[in-house]
Amino acid sequence: DTGVSQDPRHKITKRGQNVTFRCDPISEHNRLYWYRQTLGQGPEFLTYFQNEAQLEKSRLLSDRFSAERPKGSFSTLEIQRTEQGDSAMYLCASSYAGASSYEQYFGPGTRLTVT
Amino acid sequence: QKEVEQDPGPLSVPEGAIVSLNCTYSNSAFQYFMWYRQYSRKGPELLMYTYSSGNKEDGRFTAQVDKSSKYISLFIRDSQPSDSATYLCAMRSSSASKIIFGSGTRLSIRP
Repeated sequence: DTGVSQDPRHKITKRGQNVTFRCDPISEHNRLYWYRQTLGQGPEFLTYFQNEAQLEKSRLLSDRFSAERPKGSFSTLEIQRTEQGDSAMYLCASSYAGASSYEQYFGPGTRLTVT
Repeated sequence: QKEVEQDPGPLSVPEGAIVSLNCTYSNSAFQYFMWYRQYSRKGPELLMYTYSSGNKEDGRFTAQVDKSSKYISLFIRDSQPSDSATYLCAMRSSSASKIIFGSGTRLSIRP
């Protein structure tokens, strides 16, 4: 078991550019979550999938953000027309829906810097 | 007012000391309570979880939940320099999948 992986680990982009991040969950996990973490704060929920269905989206997820999980495996998070306020760590987590679904396992994160 | 409040620290204690980390919350629907540890530039790592009120012990770590006071604690005994990290409390209700995190307490254990 290699755990949750995320790619890239660090992305620097200019304001206005589009960026896409990838998350590969633990293989047997059917739930996948995206969180955003800014300096000195805890992670904030963005969205989650059960299999390929996106079941919940936070109001933090503006229309510039889109997430997909085709075939219920890996997921991508795209940010269009990036703004400096998008600079943050983007964390992915996965879990197995069931009695212990609170056990969300996090990846190392993708640190986004918008210049 | 945030749903979960956590003192950001920093907290610095000598090696071997007992550490007490705390959070308060306002949502009485929260049923699952967790503590995550996060090292610099890493993702959060689940340390402890507790369902409803009560205590749970795992090695040097003890988690306590007092739902009547909306107060949770994590105790670390015989603290080690390797325990130096940011500790995040987190919680969720039975009906929700998303976790609500505190802002984290930065802990430093001095050798």
